[in-house]
Amino acid sequence: DAKTTQPPSMDCAEGRAANLPCNHSTISGNEYVYWYRQIHSQGPQYIIHGLKNNETNEMASLIITEDRKSSTLILPHATLRDTAVYYCIASPSSGGTSYGKLTFGQGTILTVHP
Amino acid sequence: DAGVTQSPTHLIKTRGQQVTLRCSPKSGHDTVSWYQQALGQGPQFIFQYYEEEERQRGNFPDRFSGHQFPNYSSELNVNALWLGDSALYLCASRSGGGFHYEQYFGPGTRLTVT
Repeated sequence: DAKTTQPPSMDCAEGRAANLPCNHSTISGNEYVYWYRQIHSQGPQYIIHGLKNNETNEMASLIITEDRKSSTLILPHATLRDTAVYYCIASPSSGGTSYGKLTFGQGTILTVHP
Repeated sequence: DAGVTQSPTHLIKTRGQQVTLRCSPKSGHDTVSWYQQALGQGPQFIFQYYEEEERQRGNFPDRFSGHQFPNYSSELNVNALWLGDSALYLCASRSGGGFHYEQYFGPGTRLTVT
C-alpha cells in the first residue's frame, strides 16, 4: 500500500471549513484514497473514499488532484464534535477477500475551537 | 442494528498469560479484521478472516492467532503475553462479496499487561 503523509496537527474554528491535506505521491492506479477518523476512546469511523474524481457525502468532501498524488478532506462546517484524529489511507478497494487491509499512519489531530 | 461489538471492554493480564478477545460483526457482514493500536499510534493490521479462514496477515508473530465461527463472529488469541502487547485491540467488519468500501470498527478492548 502506498505511504501517505499528513500534518501532525491542525486547528479550526467552529463553523468554519476544515481542510485536511494528505500526500500520497506513490499511489498506484488501483489504490483508492480512504479517510477515517477516530474520536477519543472510540474505534475509527469511515468518512469517505475516492479513486480519481472528487466525492461528496453527508459528512465531507474529498478533492483528489488530477495526478492523484495528493488529496484534501473538507469538513464544510466544523463542529466541536469533529475534534478527532483523521487518517488518510491509500489502499486497493475492499472488494473481494484479498483486500481490506487498512494501513494507518499517524494521522492529523484536528482540534475544533469554539 | 447493533453494529460491531467487542468484549470485554477492559482486561488486565500478567506477563506470560494468554488472552482471548471476542468480536461480533455488524449484521450482514461476513469478514472480520483485527487491529492493534498502541498508545499514540495508528491502528496496525493483525489479520483478516473470511469463511472461517485467515485470508490476510500483518507483521505479527505466531503468538497472535484467531478464529472465525460459522455465525461470522471472531476471536483473537494472544499467547505468552509481553508488556508490549498492552494496547487497544480493534475489530472491524465488512461484507466480503462485491465492492464494499467502508469498514465498521467496534469500540475496542483495552488490554493491559503487567
